Amino acid sequence: NAGVTQTPKFQVLKTGQSMTLQCAQDMNHNSMYWYRQDPGMGLRLIYYSASEGTTDKGEVPNGYNVSRLNKREFSLRLESAAPSQTSVYFCASSATRNMNTEAFFGQGTRLTVV
Amino acid sequence: KNQVEQSPQSLIILEGKNCTLQCNYTVSPFSNLRWYKQDTGRGPVSLTIMTFSENTKSNGRYTATLDADTKQSSLHITASQLSDSASYICVVRQNSNSGYALNFGKGTSLLVTP
Repeated sequence: NAGVTQTPKFQVLKTGQSMTLQCAQDMNHNSMYWYRQDPGMGLRLIYYSASEGTTDKGEVPNGYNVSRLNKREFSLRLESAAPSQTSVYFCASSATRNMNTEAFFGQGTRLTVV
Repeated sequence: KNQVEQSPQSLIILEGKNCTLQCNYTVSPFSNLRWYKQDTGRGPVSLTIMTFSENTKSNGRYTATLDADTKQSSLHITASQLSDSASYICVVRQNSNSGYALNFGKGTSLLVTP
């Protein structure tokens, strides 16, 4: 009963390096999201995918790209990491964009950029 | 601007005591409000959902209230346990199918001590 699985759980990058955060859900959900959580701030939406084959920018998309590889998987890529991208990243999914549908979150990826 | 304000920022209580967390919002148009519990190092997990017509909803020792007129919600925890130590996040959904629809508070950090 995995739900939303994120890899890796921890990562340290040097400024300018690239990496991809992986997310997979096994609940047959249509919608998937990437958020970042910083100290003293609420979760902020980076990108989302309302359904397979579509992606849209959220509140803080600069410096990131995403790929909805298939219905299960939604990856987040940092092309050239910056210290400002040090954060905890959460992937979430929901059955639909229906307003009462619950979003389920992964355990998070703690990323440090030095 | 849609905002979700939570208070207090942090709270320490003795095991067995009750506590109440507050959430004020300016999100419009309103769809629903969820309280999430986020354990350290984990993703948020939904506790309750409140829609416009609901005033009170319970989930075990957790009771949420909603006053849609004053745009306020509270989460009351009864007979606290050590496992209640976590961050509690108020999430208000706008009446929209956009991925932007979720508005997150910064959370209240609760510590329950023996």
